[in-house]
Amino acid sequence: DAKTTQPTSMDCAEGRAANLPCNHSTISGNEYVYWYRQIHSQGPQYIIHGLKNNETNEMASLIITEDRKSSTLILPHATLRDTAVYYCIVRAPGMRFGAGTRLTVKP
Amino acid sequence: KAGVTQTPRYLIKTRGQQVTLSCSPISGHRSVSWYQQTPGQGLQFLFEYFSETQRNKGNFPGRFSGRQFSNSRSEMNVSTLELGDSALYLCASSLVTKSEKLFFGSGTQLSVL
Repeated sequence: DAKTTQPTSMDCAEGRAANLPCNHSTISGNEYVYWYRQIHSQGPQYIIHGLKNNETNEMASLIITEDRKSSTLILPHATLRDTAVYYCIVRAPGMRFGAGTRLTVKP
Repeated sequence: KAGVTQTPRYLIKTRGQQVTLSCSPISGHRSVSWYQQTPGQGLQFLFEYFSETQRNKGNFPGRFSGRQFSNSRSEMNVSTLELGDSALYLCASSLVTKSEKLFFGSGTQLSVL
């Protein structure tokens, strides 16, 4: 299974862009990168996914490097409600969630 | 459209007992997967069901089992409960197996005393 590595925690000022990095150097050519987030006491919430092209939706943007060994999730204008644990996952039989990055958005 | 529904929301059991948790997926979703979340181990994959068949299984002992019914509803069972089984059990549904989008329920918080 491809493994992912994320920083343990990050802070971001409210209104600024939050850039969350993820390394997945062992990713296979046909494996997608998925991002989920979990707000305290709730189930994880799907954010976005991609294969090799950059993706954007109403929640975030996903930038994947050309060699696909790393990616960055971008929340363009972070709000206090974006404070959560963010998980970067490479699909395996059964999504394997790592420890994720605890993002704290500060006023 | 209603989301993923898990019942009960909270449960207290004693060691040695068994427990059954229920999950109703989003209407039309045929795949259901289960996860265990603890402060120490994080989110760990238990198993995934699609069309009443277990498709994938995580590294959990045989005390953890599950099943899926023809209406896609799923149950998971834990027998001979141990203190370490105290956790938040999350169910997720998706349209098909290996889907990119999992929709999670709010979970069942199990406490084993």
